[in-house]
Amino acid sequence: GENVEQHPSTLSVQEGDSAVIKCTYSDSASNYFPWYKQELGKGPQLIIDIRSNVGEKKDQRIAVTLNKTAKHFSLHITETQPEDSAVYFCAASGGGTSYGKLTFGQGTILTVHP
Amino acid sequence: DTAVSQTPKYLVTQMGNDKSIKCEQNLGHDTMYWYKQDSKKFLKIMFSYNNKELIINETVPNRFSPKSPDKAHLNLHINSLELGDSAVYFCASSQGGGLGAFFGQGTRLTVV
Repeated sequence: GENVEQHPSTLSVQEGDSAVIKCTYSDSASNYFPWYKQELGKGPQLIIDIRSNVGEKKDQRIAVTLNKTAKHFSLHITETQPEDSAVYFCAASGGGTSYGKLTFGQGTILTVHP
Repeated sequence: DTAVSQTPKYLVTQMGNDKSIKCEQNLGHDTMYWYKQDSKKFLKIMFSYNNKELIINETVPNRFSPKSPDKAHLNLHINSLELGDSAVYFCASSQGGGLGAFFGQGTRLTVV
């Protein structure tokens, strides 16, 4: 089955800096890669996603890049703000008989210091 | 107007009891899921239903039994609760293929 590795496990930045979180996946048949933000006491919230036929996608301060050959994808947050502090999860889906099952990375705790 | 809602939000119960968690989505999605988040925040799928039909059962003990009375509802019943069942359980829904899955707020289950 699919295995997703996520790094780093914790990331601390100053307000205004950029933050980058990286993930690798194992199943070359995976074709959908969402990123979720989870704030304390809440459920994961989809913030951006990318499909395997696209190399990069941007939405205001966040962007995701995908390298299918290397089987890795990354989340980039620019001009970080304290409200970006949360746990971020990458996920992969779509391979074989996954039926939409999301396999998650281990999560990254992002702290943005004012 | 909540998209995916779960009840209860908190559940504290004794070992050996049976409990249920309810989930409803008003997004018109065909697929619903149960995920478990452990104490280290790791999220893992348990079940998936598509149009009331079970399509994923991810080697979960048979003490856990999901039920989908219609495509907008997916409930989770847990028999003979054990200490190791303590976790946060999330319901989610999507239009299919996991694309754009929306998660509920979670149910924090504590077994004492």
